[in-house]
Amino acid sequence: DAGVIQSPRHEVTEMGQEVTLRCKPISGHDYLFWYRQTMMRGLELLIYFNNNVPIDDSGMPEDRFSAKMPNASFSTLKIQPSEPRDSAVYFCASTLRITYEQYFGPGTRLTVT
Amino acid sequence: DAKTTQPTSMDCAEGRAANLPCNHSTISGNEYVYWYRQIHSQGPQYIIHGLKNNETNEMASLIITEDRKSSTLILPHATLRDTAVYYCIVRGYSGGGADGLTFGKGTHLIIQP
Repeated sequence: DAGVIQSPRHEVTEMGQEVTLRCKPISGHDYLFWYRQTMMRGLELLIYFNNNVPIDDSGMPEDRFSAKMPNASFSTLKIQPSEPRDSAVYFCASTLRITYEQYFGPGTRLTVT
Repeated sequence: DAKTTQPTSMDCAEGRAANLPCNHSTISGNEYVYWYRQIHSQGPQYIIHGLKNNETNEMASLIITEDRKSSTLILPHATLRDTAVYYCIVRGYSGGGADGLTFGKGTHLIIQP
């Protein structure tokens, strides 16, 4: 398996623009997580899905952030409109139902100018 | 989930065993100890986890004290590629693999040549 795949790896955009981050989890994994990492706040959970259904989105910072999982092999995290404080590395992770080993993707480094 | 305390940074000579401590004095009976690491610019990587027995895999060993209030991650023969931030995480097992991981600041392990 290729592991968790994220795209793009780097994204530079201007304030006010819409940004869409993409994630393909490991095949067969029922859980998908979105995390954000910044120097100030470290790694923090934004939202997670179970069988394509959002379970906990309490970590989503505000209404500008939205996430979807239309099928078992694809998820998106959208920021609209983007702001400079959204600059961070965004990680996607997936896991099997029973085990707690989460497998992380390489991340998307987002820079909002 | 119980809170964990780790040293901010540690050095270890290449080829030696690296011993990374973690205190989790408020751990409850059904909570597991997990270790992840994050190599610079990569996503976090699962290392090992345990409940009360010592565990060993191809990457590391996990030693949990009898009272379970602390643990030590051991990398038996550290290499330069083991330089990373190591996170000790304590969380309960609900049987569903649900809930995200709560990352603290971790220990920055530097392997010296």
